[in-house]
Amino acid sequence: EVKLVESGGGLVQPGRSLKLSCAASGFSFNDYWMGWVRQAPGKGLEWIGEINQDSSTINYTPSLKDKFTISRDNAQNTLYLQMSKLGSEDTAIYYCARETTYWGQGVMVTVSS
Amino acid sequence: DVVLTQTPVSLLISLGGQASISCRSSQSLVHSNGNTYLHWYLQKPGQSPQLLIYQVSNRFSGIPDRFSGSGSGTDFTLKISRVEPEDLGVYYCLQRTHNPPTFGGGTKLELK
Repeated sequence: EVKLVESGGGLVQPGRSLKLSCAASGFSFNDYWMGWVRQAPGKGLEWIGEINQDSSTINYTPSLKDKFTISRDNAQNTLYLQMSKLGSEDTAIYYCARETTYWGQGVMVTVSS
Repeated sequence: DVVLTQTPVSLLISLGGQASISCRSSQSLVHSNGNTYLHWYLQKPGQSPQLLIYQVSNRFSGIPDRFSGSGSGTDFTLKISRVEPEDLGVYYCLQRTHNPPTFGGGTKLELK
């Protein structure tokens, strides 16, 4: 069974950084592109970016490129999202996804003083 | 960026009825390789989105044949026949033909 479990969310002050993790199991992690999507409270879905199997290609939504860094550790079957200079507009549920198919349950990030 | 416009924004349907959701794109979603990367998801209340249909008309594993997708170019439709209680939630289309990938604004399916 494909399983994606996000962690690392919580309350963070404006201007600070936060790193999310996504632990993958039930499939061969290093065979797939992986990505991040977010959803602000009561809003729609926003694609953040994705990373290929060997980390040689990372694509970001241009408007978010300066704020987020996606990485992965194939030995640990883990995907990461480093977020910097957070603002209230970054308050959202963050989902990791295996290509377009499977999604994790999401982790909440709240940016507030 | 490609803009996907979903209509209607909300849909009131009786159990057993049929629902139709439109997703219109600001540009053609036919990729240079000939494929069309338009997918449909359902987000049930309190859950993450689940893939229903990929590449316009292909049902994902375990998705009942009550769900069907159609369309081409810039105009796409998701049909749900014989609506059941577990079909309720917000439906999203996603295009992956052009970078960055973009989602439609969502259509909320509710019971009449």
